[in-house]
Amino acid sequence: ELKVEQNPLFLSMQEGKNYTIYCNYSTTSDRLYWYRQDPGKSLESLFVLLSNGAVKQEGRLMASLDTKARLSTLHITAAVHDLSATYFCAVDSPSGNTPLVFGKGTRLSVIA
Amino acid sequence: SAVISQKPSRDICQRGTSLTIQCQVDSQVTMMFWYRQQPGQSLTLIATANQGSEATYESGFVIDKFPISRPNLTFSTLTVSNMSPEDSSIYLCSAKPSLGSEAFFGQGTRLTVV
Repeated sequence: ELKVEQNPLFLSMQEGKNYTIYCNYSTTSDRLYWYRQDPGKSLESLFVLLSNGAVKQEGRLMASLDTKARLSTLHITAAVHDLSATYFCAVDSPSGNTPLVFGKGTRLSVIA
Repeated sequence: SAVISQKPSRDICQRGTSLTIQCQVDSQVTMMFWYRQQPGQSLTLIATANQGSEATYESGFVIDKFPISRPNLTFSTLTVSNMSPEDSSIYLCSAKPSLGSEAFFGQGTRLTVV
């Protein structure tokens, strides 16, 4: 059974600081998604990582995937208040014929 | 890719009633799924909606409570039956156009049961 662990679950960081959110998963996979969710809203797709060593960047966010370590990271650079949200990672099975399995999410709060 | 329209986007319902949520995809898709997101929680899979046959439910979810239909390759419905306040959640539809393809999500239905 595929399990996905995210940490930290809660993160309070100062504006301008850097931090990393970690996503570990239990079985082989080379497909991983990162989503952002604002309170009361649906999921916003941030990144889709489809191979070992994949790295994608958008603004202050950068995601990477290490399939051998079964680890993905979401790095935040010079945080700003607008990044405050909940971030989820979700893992797909190797076959891709099953639903995504989500981590518990990281609630990020960026404070001045 | 796939664009998914879900409706209603939100509703407030009386306990004991039922609500049917519709999920329409703009193209034929192989797989469709329904998730529930309880307040402050992550997404939990309710079931896989199978075209032309009964849905496959995850542990803790039963057909009598969450009947699902999928009459064709672009449409599915989820009904939340005999609702109680504990059913207050966001319900999300997801689809994969083909085996191994990217997953897409609808905008969700925010349900409040009073």
